[in-house]
Amino acid sequence: DGGITQSPKYLFRKEGQNVTLSCEQNLNHDAMYWYRQDPGQGLRLIYYSQIVNDFQKGDIAEGYSVSREKKESFPLTVTSAQKNPTAFYLCASTDGNTGELFFGEGSRLTVL
Amino acid sequence: ILNVEQSPQSLHVQEGDSTNFTCSFPSSNFYALHWYRWETAKSPEALFVMTLNGDEKKKGRISATLNTKEGYSYLYIKGSQPEDSATYLCAFYSSASKIIFGSGTRLSIRP
Repeated sequence: DGGITQSPKYLFRKEGQNVTLSCEQNLNHDAMYWYRQDPGQGLRLIYYSQIVNDFQKGDIAEGYSVSREKKESFPLTVTSAQKNPTAFYLCASTDGNTGELFFGEGSRLTVL
Repeated sequence: ILNVEQSPQSLHVQEGDSTNFTCSFPSSNFYALHWYRWETAKSPEALFVMTLNGDEKKKGRISATLNTKEGYSYLYIKGSQPEDSATYLCAFYSSASKIIFGSGTRLSIRP
């Protein structure tokens, strides 16, 4: 089945460690996105990529990094520079025709 | 700074009752407005993609309207059922790639 796969679902990290969240899609979508959700807030855009080897900062990119070496993959690294990394992270891709976002099931990161 | 607001933040409705909630967005630089339903332990899924002022979309008991000139969209649910319990997100598109989400309306249906 076509879709978006995020891993891991749950992740615990010690302060000062970098961690990478995986996002893979087999929908043949060009554009991919990373969002962060905190309690009581909407989804906030971290980074997005409209095409392979290109990506743009979103509203809250500080402390995060991404790469887009393959169309199917858009991993997000949460670096030690991110001051408050504990959150729920959602990856999505868009249908170029309608702009409809297709989401993964999310990754919950907890910093101990 | 573009702001997208949804109200109310949460809503408790008796099964069988109808309900509606609002998404307010900037009335300038409008490209599209999407509604998503996010059930617990699942991924958000698109309900409606709306692009034209005056658009009205319907899917079963759920419908949505769009007013781009005044910057709001309403989502209506007729005869609420327990399976309607979810968080409903609206997403304002100022371009094909610039998307801003509201904080959502959490709907709970009481049997």
